[in-house]
Amino acid sequence: RKEVEQDPGPFNVPEGATVAFNCTYSNSASQSFFWYRQDCRKEPKLLMSVYSSGNEDGRFTAQLNRASQYISLLIRDSKLSDSATYLCVVSFGNEKLTFGTGTRLTIIP
Amino acid sequence: EAGVTQFPSHSVIEKGQTVTLRCDPISGHDNLYWYRRVMGKEIKFLLHFVKESKQDESGMPNNRFLAERTGGTYSTLKVQPAELEDSGVYFCASSPLDRGGNSPLHFGNGTRLTVT
Repeated sequence: RKEVEQDPGPFNVPEGATVAFNCTYSNSASQSFFWYRQDCRKEPKLLMSVYSSGNEDGRFTAQLNRASQYISLLIRDSKLSDSATYLCVVSFGNEKLTFGTGTRLTIIP
Repeated sequence: EAGVTQFPSHSVIEKGQTVTLRCDPISGHDNLYWYRRVMGKEIKFLLHFVKESKQDESGMPNNRFLAERTGGTYSTLKVQPAELEDSGVYFCASSPLDRGGNSPLHFGNGTRLTVT
């Protein structure tokens, strides 16, 4: 079983729609959680950290459920520029990041 | 502020040859990491330097890979001899020392290595 599991997609979503991604992680001792974004042939960039209380950054909302070992990302009012691969990332507190394979999102005009 | 820079951006070598990848972290970042993505797989951790010391090298695949960070500034990752399965994108990342577990890593653009 992979340490971080994501649906690879692709998700093809019309502009303006709401889209949600989910991710599960296997290690219950995980301490830090992130969503990274990676554009084609570019480096991963931090989109947002994920906190137990849930957090929002503009059109993006992240949720963490420690009991179910589940992380989610919601994108509202999607824009063409949101097209990218979204990487679920977990850390066990030892500086080492564990990545999911990513979910590919394409926003359709 | 200059970001993490990696050189070369692409490298095509034959099986059995040697390749050296270089990473220049953001100035002042004591943490330096190497990650790798092979085709169709997730990005995987290779190793972590704190200044010039190897903090964690548990992700290094085998002894054909040698990473150094002499002087605690830039780092090199040498693959010798290269095998076909070493093909992939090698990312370097850096962060300040007092990361607190939630500061972002800054990634370089990666080196795309193709072994033929």
